Amino acid sequence: QKEVEQNSGPLSVPEGAIASLNCTYSDRGSQSFFWYRQYSGKSPELIMFIYSNGDKEDGRFTAQLNKASQYVSLLIRDSQPSDSATYLCAVNNGNNRLAFGKGNQVVVIP
Amino acid sequence: DAGITQSPRYKITETGRQVTLMCHQTWSHSYMFWYRQDLGHGLRLIYYSAAADITDKGEVPDGYVVSRSKTENFPLTLESATRSQTSVYFCASSKGTGIPGELFFGEGSRLTVL
Repeated sequence: QKEVEQNSGPLSVPEGAIASLNCTYSDRGSQSFFWYRQYSGKSPELIMFIYSNGDKEDGRFTAQLNKASQYVSLLIRDSQPSDSATYLCAVNNGNNRLAFGKGNQVVVIP
Repeated sequence: DAGITQSPRYKITETGRQVTLMCHQTWSHSYMFWYRQDLGHGLRLIYYSAAADITDKGEVPDGYVVSRSKTENFPLTLESATRSQTSVYFCASSKGTGIPGELFFGEGSRLTVL
């Protein structure tokens, strides 16, 4: 079972700032990585996925993968109040099964 | 486009009772999953299915039973509910092609076992 760790506590950022979230994983052989966003009381939704080392940008979101160090990060630029949510890091366990981290709550302060 | 629907959305039951949570998807996705979400544990996989009549255990399968006689349905049964099964249950589906790991979640079923 692949483990995914998200150890940071709630993150408060002012509107317009950059929110930075980190995630580490245990299996060096893991190939694909995901960030899901979950609003309070709602279901998770996919916002980013990354397979290759380096950065992947999509709008205000950037995912970063470093396989040598076994970490994945998510940057949210120009943070908006609508970005206030819990962000879940996930790793593909094969057969489309995902192992999720516990999540990091982000609060964007207007 | 109904997508993936779960029922009931809210359920209160007593210890020892049998409970079935329903999940229905309209996309004909191959893969379906059941996760539970608890504070301090995040999302944990209970069971998954790669196709009709093919199911397999996930991380926390004890006390749960699943079946998948039709592609679109994937019910989860708690045979004898326990308080530790109080949780929010999410059903999800995946195409199996395209983005592996792109899961589409239902709205969740909040189960309370007294």
